[in-house]
Amino acid sequence: NAGVTQTPKFRILKIGQSMTLQCTQDMNHNYMYWYRQDPGMGLKLIYYSVGAGITDKGEVPNGYNVSRSTTEDFPLRLELAAPSQTSVYFCASSYGGRTEAFFGQGTRLTVV
Amino acid sequence: GENVGLHLPTLSVQEGDNSIINCAYSNSASDYFIWYKQESGKGPQFIIDIRSNMDKRQGQRVTVLLNKTVKHLSLQIAATQPGDSAVYFCAGDQTGANNLFFGTGTRLTVIP
Repeated sequence: NAGVTQTPKFRILKIGQSMTLQCTQDMNHNYMYWYRQDPGMGLKLIYYSVGAGITDKGEVPNGYNVSRSTTEDFPLRLELAAPSQTSVYFCASSYGGRTEAFFGQGTRLTVV
Repeated sequence: GENVGLHLPTLSVQEGDNSIINCAYSNSASDYFIWYKQESGKGPQFIIDIRSNMDKRQGQRVTVLLNKTVKHLSLQIAATQPGDSAVYFCAGDQTGANNLFFGTGTRLTVIP
């Protein structure tokens, strides 16, 4: 039981490049989330999903896209990377909306 | 908007002492709260949660207290150990929301 797995762990992007952050969970959780964490700050919700085929915007969705074609996977897409997207990105999953969320180890992204 | 998880940024305690980490929130509609621990370079880990129909909940060496009158939440750690050094976040939600709102966290440093 691996929990929530994120890849890659680190990435450097040039301005304007695109990439996909991968997230997969093996706990059969319905809810999945993407957060970003800027230095010294709390977590801000980017997008979330309450089940396969359903996604919703969080607090800071601009510049990102998501899809949820399966229960297990919830990839986050950056289309045109900007320096403001330099952050640590965390994927999480939970059984329900107001239950314990399990987090991945994070992806540290730098846009230069 | 939401304003959950207003923390003091740092707290230092002597090893063996009890720690109290405080968190204030402004939305009286919040009815579920959760505490996470984040060690350096890792994702947040669940510690304990509490629903608004309770005012106290205990776990192993941890207790969460909820005072809805003054919109205050606290995490008490008994006999603090060096391994407790981390950033602690409280997060909360409100009825109808499918996600949690995180504060900026309190960095706990345990002095040997």
